[in-house]
Formats: sequence, structure tokens, C-alpha cells
Amino acid sequence: AQSVTQLGSHVSVSEGALVLLRCNYSSSVPPYLFWYVQYPNQGLQLLLKYTTGATLVKGINGFEAEFKKSETSFHLTKPSAHMSDAAEYFCAVGSNDYKLSFGAGTTVTVRA
Amino acid sequence: GAVVSQHPSWVICKSGTSVKIECRSLDFQATTMFWYRQFPKQSLMLMATSNEGSKATYEQGVEKDKFLINHASLTLSTLTVTSAHPEDSSFYICSARVGGGTDTQYFGPGTRLTVL
Repeated sequence: AQSVTQLGSHVSVSEGALVLLRCNYSSSVPPYLFWYVQYPNQGLQLLLKYTTGATLVKGINGFEAEFKKSETSFHLTKPSAHMSDAAEYFCAVGSNDYKLSFGAGTTVTVRA
Repeated sequence: GAVVSQHPSWVICKSGTSVKIECRSLDFQATTMFWYRQFPKQSLMLMATSNEGSKATYEQGVEKDKFLINHASLTLSTLTVTSAHPEDSSFYICSARVGGGTDTQYFGPGTRLTVL
């Protein structure tokens, strides 16, 4: 069984500051890991994913995440926040049957 | 590429009526489609997995007779909420997977259902 824990339901950052969203997972098999972003009243957009290979994954909009097996973590970062980054972010772990288990989500607000 | 649409984007209905939500993959064929439910300020909960030409597989606790899923083609899956009640009000989101070992799901924009 897979599960995801996102630490911090709400993160507030200043424009231009580092964005760090934490995600820890539990998986009985080598995990597929994803970060999605959701804007109000919209579906989810894939930011990035990790399947195999390089543990530092670069995604869209300047985001990246690092898979750390020893820490069972897949934290999402962006060096410099932009106002358009204000949204809900979900970490998810995939299983062999392609089902996704989502974390509770982290709301990001960006202060001018 | 990899665009998924949903129709309608929002719907209001009376208690006891049925509502059908469509999920379409516009530029690819989806071997598998998934239906999720999202309550306000909460995460997505998987309701069921839909494979083209076969019966949907429902997650534990999801009433299959209430949430009817049909995956008639490789580009269309429908979710029908039968005899809707106010507690069925939610945001319903579908996703589609290309298949062939691809693990990425592409999500639709969601459908807001309000049952009066």
C-alpha cells in the first residue's frame, strides 16, 4: 500500500523567496512520485514526476524535486517564487496498477 | 498534447435526479480513466478505475450502483450520479492514462456538482 504525507497544509512565501514543499511517502514497491498543481476550480496539472534514474527531477515553471530513498522524501522546490505560483500543490505516489494516492495538499500563498 | 476535457464544468440539480458527467481525452486514446472526488479544501479521493470495454473497478466504500461508470470508447468515459442527494455535492475530476506502461495521468478540469 502507498501513502503520502505532506508536511504543512499552508505555506506563505514572499515573492522572490525560496519555495519548499515537503512530501514523504510510504510504498511497498519502488515508487513513482508526482507533484501536481491545482488552481482554483480547475483540474490538476503535472509539475514533474520521478520514475527511475536521476533523482533530481526538473519540472515546469522552474520547479524541481529530489527523490531521496533513504529519507522516503520527494520535496518540491523553486528558487524564486512568483505571484503566479499561488495555488494548491499535491504530492502523489503511484502504484503498479497506475493508481495514485494523493497527499492532503499544501496551499501556497505568495506575498508581494 | 494530452488534453482531457470534462462536461459539464458545473451542474446544479434537484435531489433525486441523475446527472451524467463526461470525460474525454481529446488528442490521445486513453486505455484507462480514473474518477476522483474532491471535497472543499481536501485532497482527491479515487472513486473508480475505468478500462475501455470492461466494467469499472470501484474503490472500497464507493457505491457502484450510485456512481455508474461507462467507458465506451478509448476517448470517452462517463460518470452518472444516480438519484443524487445533497451529500453527493462535490468536485468530480477525471484523469486519463495513455497506456503501454505510461504512468502519467492527465487530468480534466473537473465538474462541480451541486445537489439542492
